[in-house]
Amino acid sequence: DGGITQSPKYLFRKEGQNVTLSCEQNLNHDAMYWYRQDPGQGLRLIYYSQIVNDFQKGDIAEGYSVSREKKESFPLTVTSAQKNPTAFYLCASSYPGGSGGYTFGSGTRLTVV
Amino acid sequence: GIQVEQSPPDLILQEGANSTLRCNFSDSVNNLQWFHQNPWGQLINLFYIPSGTKQNGRLSATTVATERYSLLYISSSQTTDSGVYFCAVENNYGQNFVFGPGTRLSVLP
Repeated sequence: DGGITQSPKYLFRKEGQNVTLSCEQNLNHDAMYWYRQDPGQGLRLIYYSQIVNDFQKGDIAEGYSVSREKKESFPLTVTSAQKNPTAFYLCASSYPGGSGGYTFGSGTRLTVV
Repeated sequence: GIQVEQSPPDLILQEGANSTLRCNFSDSVNNLQWFHQNPWGQLINLFYIPSGTKQNGRLSATTVATERYSLLYISSSQTTDSGVYFCAVENNYGQNFVFGPGTRLSVLP
């Protein structure tokens, strides 16, 4: 079955460490997105990519980095520069320009300890 | 950028009741989606509805793009309908969707 997979589901990080969240899709979607969700809040866009080897900053890109070397994969690195990284991270994919709507992964809960 | 508002912010229903959730947006949009986030955090796409009306079982949605709003109707609510409902809109630049703050629905048995 086609879908979008995020791993791990839960991640604990010590302050000062970089961590990478995985997002893989087999839906043949060109576009992929990373959102952050804080408790009781909506989703805020971190980065998005409409095509391989290209990506754009979203509203809250500071302290994060991404790569898009393959169509299927869009990993997100939370760097030590991100001052408040504890959050729920959601990855999504779609056809170009969001056509047909988004499909979301099940998310990764990151906690800084 | 485009602003998205949702109302009400919280809603408590008795099982079997009907409800209407509203999404207002500040500018012309290319596309609009409604999502349900379950208690485990999974976001499920309910409707992709840039305009018009769609129905899926007990749920239906209507978007009136010229008046900049969309409505989500839930009929005969069930406890499994509990969670947060998000509206997301894509502006005319077509780069990504902007999410509203959500409506938190609790359906009591």
